[in-house]
Amino acid sequence: AQRVTQPEKLLSVFKGAPVELKCNYSYSGSPELFWYVQYSRQRLQLLLRHISRESIKGFTADLNKGETSFHLKKPFAQEEDSAMYYCALRSGNTPLVFGKGTRLSVIA
Amino acid sequence: DADVTQTPRNRITKTGKRIMLECSQTKGHDRMYWYRQDPGLGLRLIYYSFDVKDINKGEISDGYSVSRQAQAKFSLSLESAIPNQTALYFCATSDHPGSKLFFGSGTQLSVL
Repeated sequence: AQRVTQPEKLLSVFKGAPVELKCNYSYSGSPELFWYVQYSRQRLQLLLRHISRESIKGFTADLNKGETSFHLKKPFAQEEDSAMYYCALRSGNTPLVFGKGTRLSVIA
Repeated sequence: DADVTQTPRNRITKTGKRIMLECSQTKGHDRMYWYRQDPGLGLRLIYYSFDVKDINKGEISDGYSVSRQAQAKFSLSLESAIPNQTALYFCATSDHPGSKLFFGSGTQLSVL
C-alpha cells in the first residue's frame, strides 16, 4: 500500500533560518512525489514535483529512494513561506495520496 | 478565475439530512476528485472519476456517493449526514495521469 508520512504537524522557524519539511513514503515501485502548498485564504496548489527537479520560490526537494524520502528544503525562510505543506505520492494511474501535512510558521 | 468552482462555500446541516456538494470546472479536464480535509489527518480521497462513465471509490467512500453528470460536473452526496462528516471538502481536477491537480476553494460542511 502507498503511504506518505509527514512526521511534524507544526514547524516553527525564524526568518532567515533554513527550513526542512520531512516526508517519507512507503511504496515498492517507482513513485512520483509532489509537494503541494496551501497559503492562508488560497487554494491548495502544486509547489514542485520530483521529476521536474526545479526550484520554486527557493524550495527544492530531492527524491532519495534509498531512504524513501522527499524532504522539502529552503536555505533561508521568509515570512511569506508560512503555510500548510502536503507531501503527496502517485504511482501509475492512481490518484494522489497525501500526507497529513505540516504547518510551517516563519517567525519574524 | 475560478476554473474549479465548488458550491456552497459553507453549509450547516443536521444529522440525518441529505446534502449535496457540487463541483464544476471549466478546464476541460477528464479527471475529477473529491477529498476531505480534517485537522491532523490531511487530505483523504473519497471518490474519483477518470471520465464521465467512470466512478471509483477512494480511501473513505462509506457514507458518500457521487454523480458525474457531465465532463464538467462532479457532485458529492451525503445520503444521511452524521457529525463525523464535518470537514472541509475539496474538489480537484487533472487532465492526465502525470499532471498536477487543480483544486477548488473548498466547502466547509458542519453536521450538527
